[in-house]
Amino acid sequence: NAGVIQTPRHKVTGKGQEATLWCEPISGHSAVFWYRQTIVQGLEFLTYFRNQAPIDDSGMPKERFSAQMPNQSHSTLKIQSTQPQDSAVYLCASSARTANTGQLYFGEGSKLTVL
Amino acid sequence: QQQVRQSPQSLTVWEGETAILNCSYENSAFDYFPWYQQFPGEGPALLIAIRSVSDKKEDGRFTIFFNKREKKLSLHITDSQPGDSATYFCAAMNQGGSAKLIFGEGTKLTVSS
Repeated sequence: NAGVIQTPRHKVTGKGQEATLWCEPISGHSAVFWYRQTIVQGLEFLTYFRNQAPIDDSGMPKERFSAQMPNQSHSTLKIQSTQPQDSAVYLCASSARTANTGQLYFGEGSKLTVL
Repeated sequence: QQQVRQSPQSLTVWEGETAILNCSYENSAFDYFPWYQQFPGEGPALLIAIRSVSDKKEDGRFTIFFNKREKKLSLHITDSQPGDSATYFCAAMNQGGSAKLIFGEGTKLTVSS
Protein backbone atom coordinates (compact mmCIF):
# COMPACT_ATOMS: atom_id res chain seq x y z
CA ASN A 1 0.00 0.00 0.00
CA ALA A 2 1.28 3.44 -0.87
CA GLY A 3 1.56 5.91 1.94
CA VAL A 4 0.45 9.52 1.88
CA ILE A 5 1.79 11.16 -1.24
CA GLN A 6 2.68 14.83 -1.31
CA THR A 7 3.73 16.87 -4.31
CA PRO A 8 5.85 18.73 -5.01
CA ARG A 9 8.58 17.68 -2.57
CA HIS A 10 10.27 21.02 -3.01
CA LYS A 11 8.91 24.33 -4.24
CA VAL A 12 10.66 27.65 -4.51
CA THR A 13 8.57 30.76 -5.09
CA GLY A 14 9.24 34.45 -5.22
CA LYS A 15 7.64 36.76 -2.72
CA GLY A 16 4.09 37.52 -3.76
CA GLN A 17 3.62 34.44 -5.92
CA GLU A 18 1.08 31.70 -5.33
CA ALA A 19 1.94 28.18 -4.16
CA THR A 20 -0.30 25.12 -4.33
CA LEU A 21 0.58 21.93 -2.53
CA TRP A 22 -1.09 18.60 -3.19
CA CYS A 23 -1.79 15.64 -0.97
CA GLU A 24 -3.08 12.18 -1.82
CA PRO A 25 -4.20 10.38 1.36
CA ILE A 26 -4.01 6.67 1.92
CA SER A 27 -6.85 4.94 0.13
CA GLY A 28 -9.78 4.36 2.46
CA HIS A 29 -8.74 6.95 5.00
CA SER A 30 -11.52 9.40 5.75
CA ALA A 31 -9.61 12.20 7.49
CA VAL A 32 -6.92 14.45 6.06
CA PHE A 33 -4.82 16.83 8.12
CA TRP A 34 -2.43 19.61 7.20
CA TYR A 35 0.45 20.66 9.46
CA ARG A 36 3.25 23.16 9.05
CA GLN A 37 6.71 22.38 10.41
CA THR A 38 9.43 24.92 11.13
CA ILE A 39 12.47 24.88 13.38
CA VAL A 40 11.08 27.71 15.49
CA GLN A 41 7.40 26.73 15.78
CA GLY A 42 7.67 22.96 15.47
CA LEU A 43 4.61 21.11 14.17
CA GLU A 44 1.65 23.46 13.89
CA PHE A 45 -1.84 22.21 13.10
CA LEU A 46 -3.46 24.04 10.20
CA THR A 47 -6.69 22.31 9.22
CA TYR A 48 -8.44 18.99 8.76
CA PHE A 49 -11.18 17.36 6.73
CA ARG A 50 -13.32 14.37 7.46
CA ASN A 51 -15.16 12.70 4.59
CA GLN A 52 -14.09 15.70 2.49
CA ALA A 53 -15.88 18.17 4.75
CA PRO A 54 -13.84 20.85 6.54
CA ILE A 55 -14.02 20.17 10.27
CA ASP A 56 -11.49 22.38 11.97
CA ASP A 57 -9.45 25.14 10.36
CA SER A 58 -8.49 26.87 13.58
CA GLY A 59 -4.79 26.81 12.71
CA MET A 60 -5.09 28.35 9.29
CA PRO A 61 -3.87 31.92 8.87
CA LYS A 62 -7.02 33.81 7.97
CA GLU A 63 -5.50 35.58 5.05
CA ARG A 64 -3.78 34.02 2.05
CA PHE A 65 -4.16 30.36 3.13
CA SER A 66 -6.91 28.07 1.92
CA ALA A 67 -7.41 24.32 1.80
CA GLN A 68 -9.80 22.17 -0.14
CA MET A 69 -10.66 18.53 -0.53
CA PRO A 70 -12.62 18.21 -3.76
CA ASN A 71 -12.67 14.42 -3.67
CA GLN A 72 -11.61 11.58 -1.37
CA SER A 73 -8.34 11.06 -3.21
CA HIS A 74 -6.75 14.44 -2.89
CA SER A 75 -6.51 17.66 -0.92
CA THR A 76 -4.81 20.94 -1.75
CA LEU A 77 -3.30 23.70 0.33
CA LYS A 78 -3.05 27.02 -1.47
CA ILE A 79 -1.01 29.98 -0.28
CA GLN A 80 -1.60 33.25 -2.08
CA SER A 81 0.89 36.09 -2.18
CA THR A 82 3.57 34.02 -0.44
CA GLN A 83 5.83 35.69 2.09
CA PRO A 84 9.26 34.63 3.38
CA GLN A 85 7.69 33.67 6.73
CA ASP A 86 5.61 31.05 4.90
CA SER A 87 8.80 29.07 4.27
CA ALA A 88 8.31 25.73 5.98
CA VAL A 89 7.72 22.06 5.43
CA TYR A 90 4.03 21.46 4.92
CA LEU A 91 2.97 18.02 6.04
CA CYS A 92 -0.18 16.19 5.08
CA ALA A 93 -1.46 13.26 7.09
CA SER A 94 -4.42 10.93 6.85
CA SER A 95 -6.18 8.71 9.34
CA ALA A 96 -8.59 5.82 9.11
CA ARG A 97 -12.33 5.93 9.43
CA THR A 98 -12.34 4.71 13.03
CA ALA A 99 -10.11 7.64 13.88
CA ASN A 100 -9.90 9.64 17.09
CA THR A 101 -7.02 7.38 18.04
CA GLY A 102 -4.35 9.87 17.13
CA GLN A 103 -2.78 7.57 14.57
CA LEU A 104 -1.88 9.86 11.75
CA TYR A 105 0.05 8.67 8.73
CA PHE A 106 2.22 11.48 7.45
CA GLY A 107 3.60 12.11 4.02
CA GLU A 108 7.20 13.18 3.52
CA GLY A 109 6.17 16.81 3.26
CA SER A 110 6.45 19.63 0.77
CA LYS A 111 9.28 22.02 1.51
CA LEU A 112 8.29 25.53 0.52
CA THR A 113 10.96 28.19 0.18
CA VAL A 114 9.87 31.77 -0.43
CA LEU A 115 12.66 34.01 -1.63
CA GLN B 1 0.35 29.26 24.24
CA GLN B 2 2.20 26.01 23.91
CA GLN B 3 -0.20 23.37 25.20
CA VAL B 4 2.33 20.55 25.02
CA ARG B 5 5.90 21.08 26.12
CA GLN B 6 8.92 18.84 25.77
CA SER B 7 12.33 18.74 27.36
CA PRO B 8 15.15 18.62 26.76
CA GLN B 9 15.33 20.20 23.34
CA SER B 10 18.21 17.90 22.49
CA LEU B 11 19.73 14.87 24.16
CA THR B 12 22.83 12.81 23.52
CA VAL B 13 23.33 9.37 25.03
CA TRP B 14 25.78 6.55 24.47
CA GLU B 15 24.79 3.35 22.77
CA GLY B 16 23.26 1.01 25.34
CA GLU B 17 22.15 3.76 27.73
CA THR B 18 18.58 4.72 28.56
CA ALA B 19 17.30 7.93 27.01
CA ILE B 20 14.55 9.77 28.91
CA LEU B 21 12.41 12.30 27.06
CA ASN B 22 9.96 14.44 28.99
CA CYS B 23 6.61 15.92 28.11
CA SER B 24 4.00 17.99 29.96
CA TYR B 25 0.63 19.35 28.99
CA GLU B 26 -1.87 21.94 30.15
CA ASN B 27 -5.29 20.85 29.00
CA SER B 28 -6.94 18.44 31.44
CA ALA B 29 -9.25 17.28 28.65
CA PHE B 30 -6.39 15.60 26.80
CA ASP B 31 -6.74 11.85 27.17
CA TYR B 32 -4.62 10.31 24.46
CA PHE B 33 -0.87 10.80 24.10
CA PRO B 34 1.02 9.39 21.12
CA TRP B 35 4.73 9.78 20.55
CA TYR B 36 5.97 10.23 17.01
CA GLN B 37 9.45 9.59 15.68
CA GLN B 38 10.83 11.61 12.79
CA PHE B 39 13.96 11.02 10.75
CA PRO B 40 15.42 13.79 8.55
CA GLY B 41 13.59 14.14 5.27
CA GLU B 42 10.66 12.05 6.40
CA GLY B 43 7.31 12.70 7.98
CA PRO B 44 6.70 11.77 11.62
CA ALA B 45 5.63 8.18 12.28
CA LEU B 46 3.70 6.84 15.26
CA LEU B 47 6.02 5.09 17.72
CA ILE B 48 3.90 4.33 20.78
CA ALA B 49 0.85 5.78 22.48
CA ILE B 50 -0.90 5.78 25.84
CA ARG B 51 -4.40 6.57 27.03
CA SER B 52 -4.97 8.54 30.21
CA VAL B 53 -6.53 5.55 31.98
CA SER B 54 -3.11 3.88 32.03
CA ASP B 55 0.06 4.91 33.79
CA LYS B 56 2.46 2.84 31.74
CA LYS B 57 2.70 1.52 28.20
CA GLU B 58 5.52 -0.67 27.00
CA ASP B 59 6.53 -1.75 23.51
CA GLY B 60 9.89 -3.43 23.27
CA ARG B 61 12.59 -0.95 24.23
CA PHE B 62 10.12 1.96 24.37
CA THR B 63 8.08 2.73 27.50
CA ILE B 64 5.77 5.61 28.30
CA PHE B 65 5.26 6.59 31.93
CA PHE B 66 2.21 8.76 32.58
CA ASN B 67 1.32 10.88 35.61
CA LYS B 68 -2.18 12.27 35.19
CA ARG B 69 -2.15 14.26 38.42
CA GLU B 70 0.96 16.16 37.41
CA LYS B 71 0.07 16.25 33.70
CA LYS B 72 3.42 14.79 32.81
CA LEU B 73 4.67 11.89 30.82
CA SER B 74 8.00 10.55 29.72
CA LEU B 75 9.34 8.27 27.04
CA HIS B 76 12.10 5.90 28.08
CA ILE B 77 14.23 4.27 25.41
CA THR B 78 16.30 1.49 26.90
CA ASP B 79 19.44 0.03 25.29
CA SER B 80 19.56 3.00 22.92
CA GLN B 81 20.87 2.27 19.44
CA PRO B 82 22.39 4.62 16.84
CA GLY B 83 19.33 3.90 14.69
CA ASP B 84 17.19 5.54 17.37
CA SER B 85 18.77 8.90 16.56
CA ALA B 86 15.81 11.00 15.48
CA THR B 87 13.49 13.74 16.68
CA TYR B 88 10.73 12.59 19.01
CA PHE B 89 7.46 14.44 19.32
CA CYS B 90 5.02 14.11 22.18
CA ALA B 91 1.45 14.82 21.12
CA ALA B 92 -1.93 15.07 22.82
CA MET B 93 -5.56 15.02 21.91
CA ASN B 94 -9.01 14.89 23.43
CA GLN B 95 -10.59 11.81 21.90
CA GLY B 96 -14.04 13.11 22.66
CA GLY B 97 -13.41 16.42 20.96
CA SER B 98 -11.62 17.54 17.85
CA ALA B 99 -9.50 14.84 16.24
CA LYS B 100 -6.54 17.17 15.86
CA LEU B 101 -3.27 16.30 17.54
CA ILE B 102 -1.34 19.00 19.35
CA PHE B 103 2.40 18.43 19.15
CA GLY B 104 5.21 19.46 21.43
CA GLU B 105 8.35 21.13 20.16
CA GLY B 106 10.25 17.87 19.86
CA THR B 107 13.41 16.40 21.37
CA LYS B 108 16.30 15.65 19.08
CA LEU B 109 17.98 12.45 20.27
CA THR B 110 21.48 11.49 19.23
CA VAL B 111 22.82 8.08 20.17
CA SER B 112 26.60 7.88 19.94
CA SER B 113 28.45 4.61 19.45
